[in-house]
Amino acid sequence: SQKIEQNSEALNIQEGKTATLTCNYTNYSPAYLQWYRQDPGRGPVFLLLIRENEKEKRKERLKVTFDTTLKQSLFHITASQPADSATYLCALVPSWYGGSQGNLIFGKGTKLSVKP
Amino acid sequence: GAGVSQSPSNKVTEKGKDVELRCDPISGHTALYWYRQSLGQGLEFLIYFQGNSAPDKSGLPSDRFSAERTGGSVSTLTIQRTQQEDSAVYLCASSSPRGRRTQYFGPGTRLLVL
Repeated sequence: SQKIEQNSEALNIQEGKTATLTCNYTNYSPAYLQWYRQDPGRGPVFLLLIRENEKEKRKERLKVTFDTTLKQSLFHITASQPADSATYLCALVPSWYGGSQGNLIFGKGTKLSVKP
Repeated sequence: GAGVSQSPSNKVTEKGKDVELRCDPISGHTALYWYRQSLGQGLEFLIYFQGNSAPDKSGLPSDRFSAERTGGSVSTLTIQRTQQEDSAVYLCASSSPRGRRTQYFGPGTRLLVL
């Protein structure tokens, strides 16, 4: 069956450390994968998109990697801050949508807590 | 500019009643999506509208759920004969023709069916 899994429901780290969140998928060949941030009581906010032919994408303190052989994406936050505490969701668009916009398949999210 | 708005923000209803949830997408966004998020769960795709094309209804969980989008803008999600398992946060998102891979979400409607 097709699955997208974020293997940690919660991750607690110390301020200043690098947070690494994992997203694994099975039986998809995604055209691209996205990461969103969701704060309590709010809708998700788009952070980064990485395409199947890209190995790595960076934005300020954020870095995303995409390994289509391992069927895995890693999301890193360097020099983490308490304000980074939130739930982070990965999402993919199955490649059979052929690049046109279709629905996103979301993971359940990882709740990150950064302690001062 | 204005983001995606949804109303009401909270809705409490009795089992068996019908409810309507509204979504106002970002102006100019041609694609509109409805998702459902239950407590501790990921987002569950419900329905997708793209321009004047027939909507993708593949995620609707039962025929009690329906949605329409009038004039290519505002959308209404209707749940008929609500059940307790319908309790969840219903999220709407929209995306533009150019940046179609980025979805902008509204704050959601929290539905509680008693």
